[in-house]
Amino acid sequence: KAGVTQTPRYLIKTRGQQVTLSCSPISGHRSVSWYQQTPGQGLQFLFEYFSETQRNKGNFPGRFSGRQFSNSRSEMNVSTLELGDSALYLCASSPQEGVQETQYFGPGTRLLVL
Amino acid sequence: ILNVEQSPQSLHVQEGDSTNFTCSFPSSNFYALHWYRWETAKSPEALFVMTLNGDEKKKGRISATLNTKEGYSYLYIKGSQPEDSATYLCAFWPGYALNFGKGTSLLVTP
Repeated sequence: KAGVTQTPRYLIKTRGQQVTLSCSPISGHRSVSWYQQTPGQGLQFLFEYFSETQRNKGNFPGRFSGRQFSNSRSEMNVSTLELGDSALYLCASSPQEGVQETQYFGPGTRLLVL
Repeated sequence: ILNVEQSPQSLHVQEGDSTNFTCSFPSSNFYALHWYRWETAKSPEALFVMTLNGDEKKKGRISATLNTKEGYSYLYIKGSQPEDSATYLCAFWPGYALNFGKGTSLLVTP
């Protein structure tokens, strides 16, 4: 089975722009979660989608949004980019939602905001 | 954001040494504790998902224990090999989202 894929892998934007990141989960997985990692910080939970519905949201401003499509692919959007949004963005998929579900991570999108 | 602490922050051992790391998490509202291994330039890879107090899991030379009453988990690596070099992350699930620690960075030299 193909793993979780994320596009693009690298991205450079300037302050004020917006960006959309894409995540394709493992085939058959219905849950997709997004995480942000900034230097010196652990992975911070952004949101989780299951069956096209946002199930949970982390403590991030409204500039961060996402959605999930009927084929379970997910997109994350960040509007009005700030320098502090420079980070590695990881998505992870799992077959179902729930505490016992192992998260399968993608390779990440590294975003640099200038 | 719940406080998940991992110690030590980094560790450097010789090939063949055995080592262990600690993950501390809030003891209330426990649902699950995850361990992941994250090698440089790769994706985090799941090691264990632990849900019951007293759980012990093993995968090859790596094992983990869980104490939910006191809020800690240990990860053990027996006979470390250079390919074990990675950052080891634990994540606590209180029922809504995974809260990750900052990880323990392990370097194993031949």
